[in-house]
Amino acid sequence: EAGVAQSPRYKIIEKRQSVAFWCNPISGHATLYWYQQILGQGPKLLIQFQNNGVVDDSQLPKDRFSAERLKGVDSTLKIQPAKLEDSAVYLCASSLLGSGAGLRNGYTFGSGTRLTVV
Amino acid sequence: AQSVSQHNHHVILSEAASLELGCNYSYGGTVNLFWYVQYPGQHLQLLLKYFSGDPLVKGIKGFEAEFIKSKFSFNLRKPSVQWSDTAEYFCAVNGRNDMRFGAGTRLTVKP
Repeated sequence: EAGVAQSPRYKIIEKRQSVAFWCNPISGHATLYWYQQILGQGPKLLIQFQNNGVVDDSQLPKDRFSAERLKGVDSTLKIQPAKLEDSAVYLCASSLLGSGAGLRNGYTFGSGTRLTVV
Repeated sequence: AQSVSQHNHHVILSEAASLELGCNYSYGGTVNLFWYVQYPGQHLQLLLKYFSGDPLVKGIKGFEAEFIKSKFSFNLRKPSVQWSDTAEYFCAVNGRNDMRFGAGTRLTVKP
């Protein structure tokens, strides 16, 4: 099966600019996640979708970050305006469901988008 | 809130040495436990998982992990590492509805 697709792979922007990342999960996976992985740290959950509804966005800095999954498939994550501390790899992952049997195969991660804010 | 602790930030071993990476979690309810591996320049891949049953689980590439409920631990082991095991290893815990990751342990295997 095709994996989780993310684009772009790399992005360099200046602080205060805006940026958007795109994710296409595995077909049939209802749950989609965006994680932020800062160098030297583990992935931190930003937002979790179940179909097109938000399940958890408690760690999303909502003053500058937004995400949507309008049709329950693709998702975009936006940062506006970017700060230096937003430099990280942004990972998208998907799973059949967010818990229980839907996690039997864990999450499938995309390759990520490496964002550098200068 | 659940949290995950990985004891070692960086582990350096010679080939054929045995490996054990520690992982402890804090969560009061039923958990699902995972180990992920990230090879240089690649995306996170599932190494093994524990949902229920036998607390000793076997994963890919000769890795195994043991769930000790009383210690809230899920340590990763491999009897004999290879140079190709050089990677970052992440322990992850799923409680009610989300996956929390540890900070990761970087493993360097010297040939």
